[in-house]
Amino acid sequence: DGGITQSPKYLFRKEGQNVTLSCEQNLNHDAMYWYRQDPGQGLRLIYYSQIVNDFQKGDIAEGYSVSREKKESFPLTVTSAQKNPTAFYLCASGGPGDTQYFGPGTRLTVL
Amino acid sequence: GIQVEQSPPDLILQEGANSTLRCNFSDSVNNLQWFHQNPWGQLINLFYIPSGTKQNGRLSATTVATERYSLLYISSSQTTDSGVYFCAVNPIYNQGGKLIFGQGTELSVKP
Repeated sequence: DGGITQSPKYLFRKEGQNVTLSCEQNLNHDAMYWYRQDPGQGLRLIYYSQIVNDFQKGDIAEGYSVSREKKESFPLTVTSAQKNPTAFYLCASGGPGDTQYFGPGTRLTVL
Repeated sequence: GIQVEQSPPDLILQEGANSTLRCNFSDSVNNLQWFHQNPWGQLINLFYIPSGTKQNGRLSATTVATERYSLLYISSSQTTDSGVYFCAVNPIYNQGGKLIFGQGTELSVKP
């Protein structure tokens, strides 16, 4: 079954903790993306990767880190430096002509 | 950077009615996509439409790239059409394929 999976679906973090959100795709796409969505808002780009072992900062990268060791995987770490991490996080991968397909998302809440 | 504006911000319809959603963008684009975000947060691809007109069932979209706008038409609306509709563009100057999202139109279809 092809697609993009994200885990966990819900995540709770204590102040000062780092947490890692998983994103996996089996669509054989080269490009992968992480977006953040706040209530009532559109999506904003955190990081993106066009190829394995390479990634670039998006518009709101501060307090986040990523890695791209495998084509299928693009995990996002929300560090303690991120001042307001409570949000809905969406991962996407890029298809032909830059069409993007999204995973189901992870809702992160800071306790 | 490029600005993406969607209108109206909110729309309430009676089941069976038709509607038109608009997306204006401030610069030339390589790519324009329309998405539907369902109540569970999943972003569903509706159209990849950098120019021209496409139809898929009760939905159709038109992008006039030279005038920098796109329209999404929903005919004979159903309660399952409820949710938030996003327009997203990839600016022509951008090499990474990243999408810039509008703020969305929240549609509520009443039975």
